[in-house]
Amino acid sequence: QSALTQPASVSGSPGQSITISCTGTGSDLGGSDYVSWYQQHPGKAPKLIIYDVNNRPSGVSNRFSGSKSDNTASLTISGLQAEDEAHYYCSSYTRRNANWVFGGGTKLTVL
Amino acid sequence: QVQVVQSGSELKKPGASVKVSCKASGYSFTSYGMNWVRQAPGQGLEWMGWINTNTGNPTYAQGFTGRFVFSLDTSVSTAYLQISSLKAEDSAVYFCARTLYNWKGDRSAFDIWGQGTMVTVSS
Repeated sequence: QSALTQPASVSGSPGQSITISCTGTGSDLGGSDYVSWYQQHPGKAPKLIIYDVNNRPSGVSNRFSGSKSDNTASLTISGLQAEDEAHYYCSSYTRRNANWVFGGGTKLTVL
Repeated sequence: QVQVVQSGSELKKPGASVKVSCKASGYSFTSYGMNWVRQAPGQGLEWMGWINTNTGNPTYAQGFTGRFVFSLDTSVSTAYLQISSLKAEDSAVYFCARTLYNWKGDRSAFDIWGQGTMVTVSS
């Protein structure tokens, strides 16, 4: 069982926007500014797309955005494209034991 | 080009050991910590811990103590993951991932990932 809870799947049509939630507790996500999101295509390594809640690494499309409220973080992808179809994982630093935890992952299907 | 390249797939028998390498290039190896992440078949990501590449001090997540060892060879900019007394449930893809430090100098995320090493444990 993952420490952070994500929906197993979400879907959307090209051009639409979708949001993936990631829920934790006050000991991890709620108490951390270090929330990140990763995109993973089948058979590939994860790719960092959001860090520190809402920052994008250089080269990542501005269609990806992040936010956080209390114990829930969110990843929004706007203007969905076929290439966005992948698994998405959230991650957070945990003050409880100075470790990192991941969510269980969300499969995004572009219809 | 900043990258980390891992060693190839391994097939091991139960009870054996395996050592996975992660060679960094394009940046100062000892300036960034290295993390290890496990992904069992069809499952999500699991943080195993990290090693401070400047001091060599490893930190292991719960569930990854005892049989798992992180080590370094800074002369060749390489981090290692060794797993001993292998079990079938150790079968997974193992990733190394560089630590991203934010503007405050805090460990913030994992920004450069290796391609993954598939370890299969089977008799």
